[in-house]
Amino acid sequence: QVQLQESGPGLVKPSETLSLTCTVSGGSISSYYWSWIRQPPGKGLEWIGHIHYSGSTNYNPSLKSRVTISLDTSKNHFSLKLTSVTAADTAVYFCARHQLPIQFGIDYWGQGTLVTVSS
Amino acid sequence: DIQMTQSPSSLSASVGDRVTITCRASQSISSYLNWYQQKPGKAPKLLMYAASSLESGVPSRFSGSGSGTDFTLTISSLQPEDFATYYCQQSYTTPRTFGQGTKVEIK
Repeated sequence: QVQLQESGPGLVKPSETLSLTCTVSGGSISSYYWSWIRQPPGKGLEWIGHIHYSGSTNYNPSLKSRVTISLDTSKNHFSLKLTSVTAADTAVYFCARHQLPIQFGIDYWGQGTLVTVSS
Repeated sequence: DIQMTQSPSSLSASVGDRVTITCRASQSISSYLNWYQQKPGKAPKLLMYAASSLESGVPSRFSGSGSGTDFTLTISSLQPEDFATYYCQQSYTTPRTFGQGTKVEIK
């Protein structure tokens, strides 16, 4: 059974960089697309971007100038960096795996990690 | 971006009721529409993909239909564990976008 686990600081200061890692267990990171999705407290879901195991990426234009998603196949994990954060970036951040083909939705999710942006 | 609009935003229903949630896309997305269920404090769970395909392990009381711009998720007989928030998501193009959610509450 594939499992995803987010890790990283739960508190980030304004203007600094949010960094999260998603460790994949029970399966290989190869062959799939992997996403980051966030959910501000009490609000809906926002897709941040995804990365293919080959390394190709696709980002939400609303965040593109601040986002980098990368992966490390040797460690079976992928990462998110979001620069110049503000209070509006406070959210639960989920990592997730897309089914194949990618259009068939997201079948595995991490439990989510709350990141608060505050001084 | 493709805007996804769900209706209603919330509804109250009783166990055993038939429940229908609607999702409308701002442009045609063919059948590239997925439905998720989210319970408080949990990650979303995939229910339906490609508009009408039931994800493995999901009870058959859930069904989906539609193509183009208009889609529906139906729960044929609401069960206690179905009280949750439901989201549609288009996977036709990037950025992937979600509806605002429909909260199904106990009547």
